[in-house]
Amino acid sequence: KQEVTQIPAALSVPEGENLVLNCSFTDSAIYNLQWFRQDPGKGLTSLLLIQSSQREQTSGRLNASLDKSSGRSTLYIAASQPGDSATYLCAVRRTGGFKTIFGAGTRLFVKA
Amino acid sequence: DGGITQSPKYLFRKEGQNVTLSCEQNLNHDAMYWYRQDPGQGLRLIYYSQIVNDFQKGDIAEGYSVSREKKESFPLTVTSAQKNPTAFYLCASSILHNSNQPQHFGDGTRLSIL
Repeated sequence: KQEVTQIPAALSVPEGENLVLNCSFTDSAIYNLQWFRQDPGKGLTSLLLIQSSQREQTSGRLNASLDKSSGRSTLYIAASQPGDSATYLCAVRRTGGFKTIFGAGTRLFVKA
Repeated sequence: DGGITQSPKYLFRKEGQNVTLSCEQNLNHDAMYWYRQDPGQGLRLIYYSQIVNDFQKGDIAEGYSVSREKKESFPLTVTSAQKNPTAFYLCASSILHNSNQPQHFGDGTRLSIL
């Protein structure tokens, strides 16, 4: 059974700092891995999607990596801004299946 | 603009009452999903549908029902059998067989018990 864990559960950093959010999963047979952003009381916005055959994806100040053999993904945020404050969720879709398993998220607060 | 519309934004249920949450998408996606989100937890799958007139139970389907009569619409009914319905409900859609396409989400419906 696939389980997805995100550490830390919450993180507070000063503006301008580079930071890394972590995601681990127990089954390496994945179809893809997604990172989402969720603002309070809102739905999820897709940030980056890494296919099983890829090692990383980049979008602006965001870079996500995938290491299937170790069951880990990281989301790197460069030069953090107060507008980055949100909850970041990692989600894994397994190979041969239809379900996507979500982590509980990391709540990020960037202080001005 | 294409997207997913969920309504209402807030909903209150009386004991013994069934309530229906609406989800409409204009993205021409085949697959649609309903998730439940509780504080401090990840999203849990309630039901999903890959095609019109077909749907499958997710991990926590008890006390819920769905229909998929049109490609654009996937309403969720929270029945009186669901004893702990207070949660944030999210609807999503995706292209069915493409590993490069993400799920798209609506803005959610928050359900509370009166």
